[in-house]
Amino acid sequence: QKEVEQNSGPLSVPEGAIASLNCTYSDRGSQSFFWYRQYSGKSPELIMSIYSNGDKEDGRFTAQLNKASQYVSLLIRDSQPSDSATYLCAVRADNYGQNFVFGPGTRLSVLP
Amino acid sequence: GAVVSQHPSWVICKSGTSVKIECRSLDFQATTMFWYRQFPKQSLMLMATSNEGSKATYEQGVEKDKFLINHASLTLSTLTVTSAHPEDSSFYICSAPPGWGEGYTFGSGTRLTVV
Repeated sequence: QKEVEQNSGPLSVPEGAIASLNCTYSDRGSQSFFWYRQYSGKSPELIMSIYSNGDKEDGRFTAQLNKASQYVSLLIRDSQPSDSATYLCAVRADNYGQNFVFGPGTRLSVLP
Repeated sequence: GAVVSQHPSWVICKSGTSVKIECRSLDFQATTMFWYRQFPKQSLMLMATSNEGSKATYEQGVEKDKFLINHASLTLSTLTVTSAHPEDSSFYICSAPPGWGEGYTFGSGTRLTVV
């Protein structure tokens, strides 16, 4: 049973702070990793993908991957109230297959 | 990137009636579509995978006779909730399979309320 785990939160951070979201996965053979943001009542939207160990930066977002530890994280710098949402971690077993596993999501609340 | 259009965005129906939800791929052909259900404050739960021209694949615990899936063309997949009951009230989301190394593209979702 492939699993993706996240702290359900809520994670509360003050505006302007760094929010750190964590995700662990059980399938050591996983190849692709994704972070989705989901606002209440909306469908998820893809914000970051990462495939190699290390950091990947996109604007205020940084994804970090450590395959040896089976750990992927998302950092949000200069957090804004508009970042308040649920963040879903998704893991794909290989780059050709369609087998995604989603984590339960972490609720982030950025306090003004 | 891939665009998936889902309709309706919300629907209210009476208990015992059926509701059809459509999911269209606008700029690509999809031989496969995924249907998810999400209850309040819970994560996505994969219900079934629709396959163009063949039967859908349902996840364990999902009633295939209650959630009818049809994938008659390369651009349209439909989910029909038959004899809906209040416990079927949920957020239903379709998604298209990703390209090489990409993430899912989700439809905008359908909020179903059964009264």
